[in-house]
Amino acid sequence: GAGVSQSPSNKVTEKGKDVELRCDPISGHTALYWYRQRLGQGLEFLIYFQGNSAPDKSGLPSDRFSAERTGESVSTLTIQRTQQEDSAVYLCASSLGRGVPLHFGNGTRLTVT
Amino acid sequence: GIQVEQSPPDLILQEGANSTLRCNFSDSVNNLQWFHQNPWGQLINLFYIPSGTKQNGRLSATTVATERYSLLYISSSQTTDSGVYFCAVHTSGGSYIPTFGRGTSLIVHP
Repeated sequence: GAGVSQSPSNKVTEKGKDVELRCDPISGHTALYWYRQRLGQGLEFLIYFQGNSAPDKSGLPSDRFSAERTGESVSTLTIQRTQQEDSAVYLCASSLGRGVPLHFGNGTRLTVT
Repeated sequence: GIQVEQSPPDLILQEGANSTLRCNFSDSVNNLQWFHQNPWGQLINLFYIPSGTKQNGRLSATTVATERYSLLYISSSQTTDSGVYFCAVHTSGGSYIPTFGRGTSLIVHP
């Protein structure tokens, strides 16, 4: 596609429910990143995929968070048993490879009530 | 890990004024990006500038990698320039995960 696409754009869920967020990167981009941005804060790294290599999961805040990516296509970020502290905008970015410019999607705004 | 500091944290301007935003980093970097996050939350690429100077309209950026800083210049600011400006760096140490600064929040008044 022309840009990074994320869905849904907004998600409201009840505490304790599971949610799944989707990211469709720019075609041909081998690298994919997930970041979290709490209200008024900077970007917090969550997870990085590069091609078929093992993902770098060092930023995932707890074992309730997981992400998958099949090859160089769509990625899903799953948050289990959501907590109010999970409320944030979840941003996905992709790039052609390592160390080259990132392109961000518009994010998914998650609200946990 | 690398530390990225941006200054000032907040900036308020009248339309037409010029400004300089700074990004300092604590280690050698392979590359650096400047982003503008508009009031709707969209992150827009401004510059990919590991070194040297680039210009795009009223905006320009300079990175002096040997001295570990980058500057973003905004001339003749407009209300549409409002938002948060982030710099992000990739280190030379092998990690390809960009580290973001905390951003500079800019408000341009008409």
